[in-house]
Amino acid sequence: DTAVSQTPKYLVTQMGNDKSIKCEQNLGHDTMYWYKQDSKKFLKIMFSYNNKELIINETVPNRFSPKSPDKAHLNLHINSLELGDSAVYFCASSSRGDQPQHFGDGTRLSIL
Amino acid sequence: AQSVTQPDIHITVSEGASLELRCNYSYGATPYLFWYVQSPGQGLQLLLKYFSGDTLVQGIKGFEAEFKRSQSSFNLRKPSVHWSDAAEYFCAVAYSGTYKYIFGTGTRLKVLA
Repeated sequence: DTAVSQTPKYLVTQMGNDKSIKCEQNLGHDTMYWYKQDSKKFLKIMFSYNNKELIINETVPNRFSPKSPDKAHLNLHINSLELGDSAVYFCASSSRGDQPQHFGDGTRLSIL
Repeated sequence: AQSVTQPDIHITVSEGASLELRCNYSYGATPYLFWYVQSPGQGLQLLLKYFSGDTLVQGIKGFEAEFKRSQSSFNLRKPSVHWSDAAEYFCAVAYSGTYKYIFGTGTRLKVLA
């Protein structure tokens, strides 16, 4: 039974398109995150939510809009995709902001 | 600003050899410290964590780490590396009661047969 699941696993699309990535956790955690990992494996926090409330928004272009319909879900919508958005996007969750994080397997986004 | 430094970008060891991956963190009153491993095509998995108490902590897959407050370090060790340990390793620090969670830049481990 997967703890943190993201869909889709792969996303190949063209510049200018709009796409969404979905994330669900069944761990009962209060806090969820989106990270971007570039080709050099650098992990950058994008957003953090606690109980559906936005806690962290790390200088991410406003083309990226997270949405948390409930504690178990955190989706990421990206408008007007650019070449530089190509990366692996990870969803994670934790019981609290200072506790271990559980990661999904990532969504590999490729922009043509 | 608070930060986590992993000075080694790449490390190569022979199978069966011992391993030490370095991690240093900047100032933090009560840091919570973590090591994660990322295998190719997968998300990060927690190896071990330090909150308080015994400064030598044991984790999964035979890994251990030692917290040294005087050196602001939390180095990861394994006495005998297996080929399946080849992966990317991330050190992270969090601060009690906050949402500040900082990952290092990672160390890629290569294991020679």
